[in-house]
Amino acid sequence: GESVGLHLPTLSVQEGDNSIINCAYSNSASDYFIWYKQESGKGPQFIIDIRSNMDKRQGQRVTVLLNKTVKHLSLQIAATQPGDSAVYFCAENIKGGGADGLTFGKGTHLIIQP
Amino acid sequence: DAGITQSPRHKVTETGTPVTLRCHQTENHRYMYWYRQDPGHGLRLIHYSYGVKDTDKGEVSDGYSVSRSKTEDFLLTLESATSSQTSVYFCAISESRADSPLHFGNGTRLTVT
Repeated sequence: GESVGLHLPTLSVQEGDNSIINCAYSNSASDYFIWYKQESGKGPQFIIDIRSNMDKRQGQRVTVLLNKTVKHLSLQIAATQPGDSAVYFCAENIKGGGADGLTFGKGTHLIIQP
Repeated sequence: DAGITQSPRHKVTETGTPVTLRCHQTENHRYMYWYRQDPGHGLRLIHYSYGVKDTDKGEVSDGYSVSRSKTEDFLLTLESATSSQTSVYFCAISESRADSPLHFGNGTRLTVT
């Protein structure tokens, strides 16, 4: 598959451990945030989203935490599995900006060690 | 997958030739987008559409045009391909303009020689 980013930050975790992927966003006016997973050769896959009126949201094996004070977003993956190996990136949407105003991060490469 | 088909999946073309990439959706979503993805960059918006025949430019629109004659189809055209347009192109769709996630196709890898 194609490379989706050279020199991406890499996070290496043991299978079964929890993973935490971080994202610092740029605009204090951003009010909607999305996490995506991208496997080699595929398009980005929606994982979970959160709005700025929340500070935590849980999905199946994933939790997103939002800290508006320091403009920080994190994605926690519980009990990491080999299928979780991928590039993960966040996107932010400035309030009133619409979907055309989404800004995407460059991503973090999550590697699962057996 | 969210019912998005991109074609072709791979294409090699020569500098100066026209190229059209197609995105087809079966979700009846109003909004459609074209992005490019390059090493060292996040996804960058080329053009988007908010309805049939309604389109607007994104961050990196120079050298690209789009058309949307039907809800389900969104075409991206490179009128005269250049080597700087070698990239992976993704189509995305969304239900609403804000506060809804984009869903992506599996991309078209375009190489301009």
